[in-house]
Amino acid sequence: KAGVTQTPRYLIKTRGQQVTLSCSPISGHRSVSWYQQTPGQGLQFLFEYFSETQRNKGNFPGRFSGRQFSNSRSEMNVSTLELGDSALYLCASREGVDGFTQYFGPGTRLTVL
Amino acid sequence: GENVEQHPSTLSVQEGDSAVIKCTYSDSASNYFPWYKQELGKRPQLIIDIRSNVGEKKDQRIAVTLNKTAKHFSLHITETQPEDSAVYFCADLNQGGSQGNLIFGKGTKLSVKP
Repeated sequence: KAGVTQTPRYLIKTRGQQVTLSCSPISGHRSVSWYQQTPGQGLQFLFEYFSETQRNKGNFPGRFSGRQFSNSRSEMNVSTLELGDSALYLCASREGVDGFTQYFGPGTRLTVL
Repeated sequence: GENVEQHPSTLSVQEGDSAVIKCTYSDSASNYFPWYKQELGKRPQLIIDIRSNVGEKKDQRIAVTLNKTAKHFSLHITETQPEDSAVYFCADLNQGGSQGNLIFGKGTKLSVKP
């Protein structure tokens, strides 16, 4: 099976703009989680979607949002970008909420100028 | 909330030596403990995982041990090779709980010197 894919791989935005990132899970996987990775904070959980519903959410401001489509593909959106939003955004998929193993995509490197 | 502490933050070993990375967790309901390896510029790759009903698991040169009483788990890499150089992350999960997301340690940068 093809692995988790993410687009775009790199993005450069300026403060105040918004951005949308996309994640396609492994075929058959219905759960998608998003993580933010920064040198200072490490890997932090943003939110998880399953069957088009947000299952749980990490401790991030409301500027961070997401959604999931009927084919399990997921998008996350960040509005009113801040310099501190510069990070690697990773998504991970697993078969379902009862599944243990999460497989990561290559990530989207977001730089906010 | 749940917290995972990982030590050391950096580890340098000679090729052929063993490397040990330790993590402690706080949620006694955690029942799944994966380890990920992340090479520079690449995605985290699962290298081994263990569930709470098992005390030890091995896969060739890699092993993980779990002590539920003390709430800590460790990654052991034997006969290290230069290609083992990477950042390693431990994580835990309370599968079946209300928060089914991975909580990660801060990572250990392992350098294997030839």
